[in-house]
Amino acid sequence: AQSVTQLDSQVPVFEEAPVELRCNYSSSVSVYLFWYVQYPNQGLQLLLKYLSGSTLVESINGFEAEFNKSQTSFHLRKPSVHISDTAEYFCAVTPNDYKLSFGAGTTVTVRA
Amino acid sequence: DAGITQSPRHKVTETGTPVTLRCHQTENHRYMYWYRQDPGHGLRLIHYSYGVKDTDKGEVSDGYSVSRSKTEDFLLTLESATSSQTSVYFCASTPGQGNEQYFGPGTRLTVT
Repeated sequence: AQSVTQLDSQVPVFEEAPVELRCNYSSSVSVYLFWYVQYPNQGLQLLLKYLSGSTLVESINGFEAEFNKSQTSFHLRKPSVHISDTAEYFCAVTPNDYKLSFGAGTTVTVRA
Repeated sequence: DAGITQSPRHKVTETGTPVTLRCHQTENHRYMYWYRQDPGHGLRLIHYSYGVKDTDKGEVSDGYSVSRSKTEDFLLTLESATSSQTSVYFCASTPGQGNEQYFGPGTRLTVT
């Protein structure tokens, strides 16, 4: 079985400051890793994913995440956040059995 | 965006009544999922389907049943709703391994 731990439930941050959201997972087999974002009163949208290859993956809106196999982590970072990045962020893993295991989520609140 | 709709979007029902939530996708995706979202728990898988009439349980399946008679429709039924089933329910679909799951807008269910 897999499990996902998001180490911060709430992350307040000022506009244009950097942010890091931490995600650790446990699994006895290789996994695919995902970050999803949920804006208020909406469903989840994929932010980025790691399947294989380069351990650094990027999204189109400036987020990046690095897969670290030895530390079983997949932390999400953005060097400069905007008000519009206020949302809840979910880390998820799958051992390729078509089912995702989600972390509890991290709420990012960006303040001016 | 994958076309996934959920109905109803909001429902209030009384304890002991049956409730059916509907998920409809227009992408011909093979796999479909029902999750519930509760504060502090992230998303938890209730049931999933890997084809028409092929379904299996997730981690929180007690009190829920599902049916999939057509590729595009996946129904979630609460046979006798309880207050602990008050939650936001999300449907998702994916074409297969390594692909992201696409989420519907959610159904907010309140059991009084």
